[in-house]
Amino acid sequence: GAVVSQHPSRVICKSGTSVKIECRSLDFQATTMFWYRQFPKKSLMLMATSNEGSKATYEQGVEKDKFLINHASLTLSTLTVTSAHPEDSSFYICSARDSLTPYEQYFGPGTRLTVT
Amino acid sequence: QKEVEQDPGPLSVPEGAIVSLNCTYSNSAFQYFMWYRQYSRKGPELLMYTYSSGNKEDGRFTAQVDKSSKYISLFIRDSQPSDSATYLCAMTAGGYQKVTFGTGTKLQVIP
Repeated sequence: GAVVSQHPSRVICKSGTSVKIECRSLDFQATTMFWYRQFPKKSLMLMATSNEGSKATYEQGVEKDKFLINHASLTLSTLTVTSAHPEDSSFYICSARDSLTPYEQYFGPGTRLTVT
Repeated sequence: QKEVEQDPGPLSVPEGAIVSLNCTYSNSAFQYFMWYRQYSRKGPELLMYTYSSGNKEDGRFTAQVDKSSKYISLFIRDSQPSDSATYLCAMTAGGYQKVTFGTGTKLQVIP
């Protein structure tokens, strides 16, 4: 099956700093990548959709200036949490979609962000 | 009303039992239905997908979709401790449409 990697798996940062999370599709070209937040006992919350070479589309209520998304190639998307605050602590998961099977999303292993 | 409803559980069953996991939905436009398995502190893994109504079987797993009732199910036969995870249903209206996820049902299979 398709493999998506995410790095780092866990990061702790101080309040006010920025953190970058990478998402890579390892064995397929991902025309579209998604970024989610997941809270305990809650469903995956879609933050934004990014298409290679174009600006990300953010969901309502998600601050695009705070969560910067770049999808510079067909295999890499990055999420940068700028000026992080403790309330940004969460599990961030990316997923990628293959153009051949667009209804299937392949998820990365997630990144646990803790802001102190 | 949420678009997708899923009982969060937890659901505890003895090893070897048949497990039934379910979701209901309200959006009649949904055509593709997926089940994901998520182990603790990991990303979801696609288990099965079904297009429109009907059944689909893959080993010990069977997915059922009843569009008339807006109800989908995942059955796990001969459940194993390794099946212990959270199972999320997901659905979308079309290949390039937004996917909506359920909250997930936590399953524990007791040896």
